[in-house]
Amino acid sequence: DAKTTQPTSMDCAEGRAANLPCNHSTISGNEYVYWYRQIHSQGPQYIIHGLKNNETNEMASLIITEDRKSSTLILPHATLRDTAVYYCIVRAGEGYSTLTFGKGTMLLVSP
Amino acid sequence: DTGVSQNPRHKITKRGQNVTFRCDPISEHNRLYWYRQTLGQGPEFLTYFQNEAQLEKSRLLSDRFSAERPKGSFSTLEIQRTEQGDSAMYLCASSSDQVGELFFGEGSRLTVL
Repeated sequence: DAKTTQPTSMDCAEGRAANLPCNHSTISGNEYVYWYRQIHSQGPQYIIHGLKNNETNEMASLIITEDRKSSTLILPHATLRDTAVYYCIVRAGEGYSTLTFGKGTMLLVSP
Repeated sequence: DTGVSQNPRHKITKRGQNVTFRCDPISEHNRLYWYRQTLGQGPEFLTYFQNEAQLEKSRLLSDRFSAERPKGSFSTLEIQRTEQGDSAMYLCASSSDQVGELFFGEGSRLTVL
């Protein structure tokens, strides 16, 4: 699976949009971009995933650049409960493949 | 459905003892995964089952570790002759398709004294 690069930490004010970047310049054509988050002392939680097109669900939006070498996870109105480590993961879509986690981005949402 | 369930949530043991963790996946999920997470690191893959077949094992899974999923439902992860380096959170996840999301449990935290 391709390697991802994320900032170690980010801050966001409550109510503002949180934009979390991820670089995956070596991504292959059949690899999906997944985002998970892990709130302290809990297991990781799936947020969203995409291949080429931008995706949106009730939790977040995923913007993937046209060359697919980077992406941005957007939490449109961050709340204190969004404080967590956010993991960007690239995963092959054909056949079985596991998730390979990096260290992620620690997002701190402040009042 | 209450999600992925793991037991016990916390285990403290002395070095050299054996420990066993149990994972009950979401009922209709046929894929089950074990991960290990140490402080400040992301989860690391240990092993994967499809139904009762163990299809992949990480090199992290030394011969002191054994995982089973005898009837394709719950799974157990046993660590024999525990060492202090085994102290970690052991996470279980399940899924139902190739490109779908993994649902994680709350984890079992192991402390080896």
